[in-house]
Amino acid sequence: AQKITQTQPGMFVQEKEAVTLDCTYDTSDQSYGLFWYKQPSSGEMIFLIYQGSYDEQNATEGRYSLNFQKARKSANLVISASQLGDSAMYFCAMREGRDDYKLSFGAGTTVTVRA
Amino acid sequence: GAGVSQSPRYKVAKRGQDVALRCDPISGHVSLFWYQQALGQGPEFLTYFQNEAQLDKSGLPSDRFFAERPEGSVSTLKIQRTQQEDSAVYLCASSLVWGRIEQFFGPGTRLTVL
Repeated sequence: AQKITQTQPGMFVQEKEAVTLDCTYDTSDQSYGLFWYKQPSSGEMIFLIYQGSYDEQNATEGRYSLNFQKARKSANLVISASQLGDSAMYFCAMREGRDDYKLSFGAGTTVTVRA
Repeated sequence: GAGVSQSPRYKVAKRGQDVALRCDPISGHVSLFWYQQALGQGPEFLTYFQNEAQLDKSGLPSDRFFAERPEGSVSTLKIQRTQQEDSAVYLCASSLVWGRIEQFFGPGTRLTVL
C-alpha cells in the first residue's frame, strides 16, 4: 500500500496567490515525521518544512505552512504569496518510528506559478 | 564544498555494462542515504550507512546493486550488468547524525541505459 499519496499531479497558481498541495499518509506507527521537499529542475531536493506526529502546533517556515490533521492523516502544504521561483516539483515524505531514518516519498505535485 | 556532491551528473551506459556512481557527503555527516528516482516519480529508498556500516540495504532492487562507504565519508553505488529498467536519477543524501530531521540531498546522477 502507498504510504504517501499526492493526488494532484500538476497545479497552476497566479503569482502572489496562495496554493495548497494535498498529502495523505498511511502508517500504524504512533511516532512519525512528515516532510515537504521542493525539487526544481536542477534536480536536488530542498527541505522545506517538518511536522512531528506529536507536535500540537502546525509547522511554519516563512511562506510555507503545514496543515496537519492527524485524525484525517493529512499533511497539506500551503505556500503563501507565490513567487515565480516557487515553480518546481513538490514532494511529501514520511519517516516512520520503526525505521527512523529512511524517507518514503509521494509521487509529487508539479507547481507552475504564472506571472 | 558546502553541499552534497555527486559525480558524474550524467551517465549513459550500454546494457550489460557496469557503472559506479560517487557521492561526497557534507563533511562530518555520519548518515548517508541512496535513493532511486524514476522519471515522474518520487525517490525510493535504496540503502543507508552510518559511518562505514551499511545498516539497511533493503531497498536495493537486486544483487546487481552494491553500495559501499569504506572510510565513512565518500560512498559509491555500483550497478553491475546494467538493464534498461535501471535508468533513473540516483540521489545521495547525508545528515549530521542518526535521527536528525533534515537530510541534505545532492543534485543526483541521471543514469540512462541504452
